[in-house]
Amino acid sequence: AQKVTQAQTEISVVEKEDVTLDCVYETRDTTYYLFWYKQPPSGELVFLIRRNSFDEQNEISGRYSWNFQKSTSSFNFTITASQVVDSAVYFCALSERAGGYQKVTFGIGTKLQVIP
Amino acid sequence: DGGITQSPKYLFRKEGQNVTLSCEQNLNHDAMYWYRQDPGQGLRLIYYSQIVNDFQKGDIAEGYSVSREKKESFPLTVTSAQKNPTAFYLCASSMRTGGNTGELFFGEGSRLTVL
Repeated sequence: AQKVTQAQTEISVVEKEDVTLDCVYETRDTTYYLFWYKQPPSGELVFLIRRNSFDEQNEISGRYSWNFQKSTSSFNFTITASQVVDSAVYFCALSERAGGYQKVTFGIGTKLQVIP
Repeated sequence: DGGITQSPKYLFRKEGQNVTLSCEQNLNHDAMYWYRQDPGQGLRLIYYSQIVNDFQKGDIAEGYSVSREKKESFPLTVTSAQKNPTAFYLCASSMRTGGNTGELFFGEGSRLTVL
């Protein structure tokens, strides 16, 4: 069975601090995808990044960076120089083939509050 | 612009009443999903549909029903059999074939409160 653990339920940082959101996953498959989504107060989940299980390259997009390590089954997300607009709930998710479709399992989310 | 539209955004219901949440997409996606979000529990899958006129139960389907008569539409009915229906409901869609990775596109959600 697949599982996604986000151990940090809430994090508060002061603006301009760096913050890392942790994500640990469990799967028996060798082919899978990992995602991060952002949920602002409006409610809609917004896609941030996708990683497939064969690509362990870290990725940087502006102030956002992701560290994928298969050896520790982790897919951590770092925001550099945080801003108030980064305040949201962030979900890590795992997708793998199950019964003919891509089954997606979400973590419980990490609520990030950036204090001005 | 392409996207997913959910309505209503807020809904109040008396106990014992059925209520239907609307979800429409113009992304030409084959697959559609309904998730329920509760504080501290993340997103849980209620139902999903990969093609028109076909749908499957997710992890928490009891007390819910769906239909998929059109590709663009996937309404969710919360029935009186659902014991704890107060929650935030999210509709999503994805490609089904041709490189489906499981990436989901979400609507803005519907918040249901049972009085």
